[in-house]
Amino acid sequence: DAKTTQPPSMDCAEGRAANLPCNHSTISGNEYVYWYRQIHSQGPQYIIHGLKNNETNEMASLIITEDRKSSTLILPHATLRDTAVYYCIVRWGGQFYFGTGTSLTVIP
Amino acid sequence: NAGVMQNPRHLVRRRGQEARLRCSPMKGHSHVYWYRQLPEEGLKFMVYLQKENIIDESGMPKERFSAEFPKEGPSILRIQQVVRGDSAAYFCASSPLGREFNTEAFFGQGTRLTVV
Repeated sequence: DAKTTQPPSMDCAEGRAANLPCNHSTISGNEYVYWYRQIHSQGPQYIIHGLKNNETNEMASLIITEDRKSSTLILPHATLRDTAVYYCIVRWGGQFYFGTGTSLTVIP
Repeated sequence: NAGVMQNPRHLVRRRGQEARLRCSPMKGHSHVYWYRQLPEEGLKFMVYLQKENIIDESGMPKERFSAEFPKEGPSILRIQQVVRGDSAAYFCASSPLGREFNTEAFFGQGTRLTVV
């Protein structure tokens, strides 16, 4: 599975959009991009996933660049409850390999 | 529709005892993954099972660890002769289809094992 690179930590003001970047320069054509988050060492929570088109659901939007070497998770209106570690994972048919993720802190 | 259920949530074992961790997947899900998270570390894949079959156990330690997912009942992760280094959070995830279909997997709240 391709590896991902994420900044170790980010801050975001409450009510603002949180944009979390992820680099996956070695991604192959069949590999999907998944995002999960983990709050206070609870079980990881699925957020969104996509292959090449941008995706949106009730939680977030996923923007994947045309060359698919990077992506951005967007939380449109961050709240304090969005404070968590966010994991970007690329996967095709294999396990979910969790890296170290980005620790997002939403500031009041 | 209940989520993935893991029990117990907390488990304390003395060195040398056995630990049994249970995972009931979401209704309709027949694929289960087990992960381990050591303190201050990320989640590490251990094993992937389908009903009555181990599909991938490449992340399982070679000794003392075993997993099963019987036709009836929950998936079980068994750790024999536990040592202090086994202290960790163990997470189970389930999905409705095999990993080749690229569906999302849903995680339980984990079992926190403490070996004293």
